[in-house]
Amino acid sequence: DTEVTQTPKHLVMGMTNKKSLKCEQHMGHRAMYWYKQKAKKPPELMFVYSYEKLSINESVPSRFSPECPNSSLLNLHLHALQPEDSALYLCASSQEEEGRKQYFGPGTRLTVT
Amino acid sequence: GQNIDQPTEMTATEGAIVQINCTYQTSGFNGLFWYQQHAGEAPTFLSYNVLDGLEEKGRFSSFLSRSKGYSYLLLKELQMKDSASYLCAVSNPSGGYQKVTFGTGTKLQVIP
Repeated sequence: DTEVTQTPKHLVMGMTNKKSLKCEQHMGHRAMYWYKQKAKKPPELMFVYSYEKLSINESVPSRFSPECPNSSLLNLHLHALQPEDSALYLCASSQEEEGRKQYFGPGTRLTVT
Repeated sequence: GQNIDQPTEMTATEGAIVQINCTYQTSGFNGLFWYQQHAGEAPTFLSYNVLDGLEEKGRFSSFLSRSKGYSYLLLKELQMKDSASYLCAVSNPSGGYQKVTFGTGTKLQVIP
């Protein structure tokens, strides 16, 4: 199983809503990542979890709150988002020992209205 | 800081060969990735170079020169399905962990 899954595929939310994005992998990877990608731009790193602990936070606003309940799951909790937060949110995972080849999930297309 | 440069767009003919260049200036370097991304889809891994030289994988090859801060992706026998964005990304150490920074990507259009 070399797949990273993400749900939902699409999400539309208002600025006062609270929602969560979910990511799952069963490859035994110990590093998991959240990226944000705007149209025609490259993915931008948001968070890195290593062995279920937050290791990198790229100065992301607190309205984005990551969570890693176990080694296979990664969540991104969303609250009080702005329209400019609309983007494709990508989850990825990799073997921490290698720290190299990152497997990406299909992404969640988020629209904030 | 990190600076990764790629051409914005390229056009090539079906069946031909195309070379996509990437230059980088980063604080620390572990390796360089190439990813392919079709519009509206997630990036898919193509290659990872750590050492200088050329690595070939089917129709795709990737070259790295660490001393020059330079890499290229070579696509042979181009097919229409190769029309996509190609992202160069550098892995560097950050606080004891690996961090990957992407370039802006090169949009390749393959024409008949």
